[in-house]
Amino acid sequence: DSGVTQTPKHLITATGQRVTLRCSPRSGDLSVYWYQQSLDQGLQFLIQYYNGEERAKGNILERFSAQQFPDLHSELNLSSLELGDSALYFCASSAPIAGGTDTQYFGPGTRLTVL
Amino acid sequence: QKEVEQDPGPLSVPEGAIVSLNCTYSNSAFQYFMWYRQYSRKGPELLMYTYSSGNKEDGRFTAQVDKSSKYISLFIRDSQPSDSATYLCAMASGGYNKLIFGAGTRLAVHP
Repeated sequence: DSGVTQTPKHLITATGQRVTLRCSPRSGDLSVYWYQQSLDQGLQFLIQYYNGEERAKGNILERFSAQQFPDLHSELNLSSLELGDSALYFCASSAPIAGGTDTQYFGPGTRLTVL
Repeated sequence: QKEVEQDPGPLSVPEGAIVSLNCTYSNSAFQYFMWYRQYSRKGPELLMYTYSSGNKEDGRFTAQVDKSSKYISLFIRDSQPSDSATYLCAMASGGYNKLIFGAGTRLAVHP
């Protein structure tokens, strides 16, 4: 158990709908990352937050947005869902290590199925 | 061309074998190299972390980084059926930076 929690575990919805995925980082971790894992694209970075502020963006669609709240939990909002959005969505939080860098620990993921 | 290349396998070995998993990369800015293990439908689990070139050993696992060749490896000694999983290499150019993942290699260790 990495200490990162994600809810829900599974989500089944229809095209055009909107869903919210939730992530609670490990205790004390300030940085949260969101990744998408699909069969054809592998694990792709979406967005990063650090202590409530957006820090980096990857290949995140405009239909997707995220935020990190004062208690450091994060939510990923996916709207106008398409069939191709079906994937595993992972949240990771990072802990600082010596040398000024960090290591990322992943949650169990949310499996999204768009029908 | 992808920034990180990893043979997806599958790789099938008998129990007790030495397993070698590899990744190549093109971005010379990468300084931090990680190996994650992912069981089916689970979150990736951090196995090894290395900075710059060299070797790092942890139990049955050894990670090697050769920055001059842009090549990293993970060796698993005395492989066990419980090692059957997908192994993902990941890299970052700096601290608190996004990870760039390889495609993952599926490993099956047979009793």
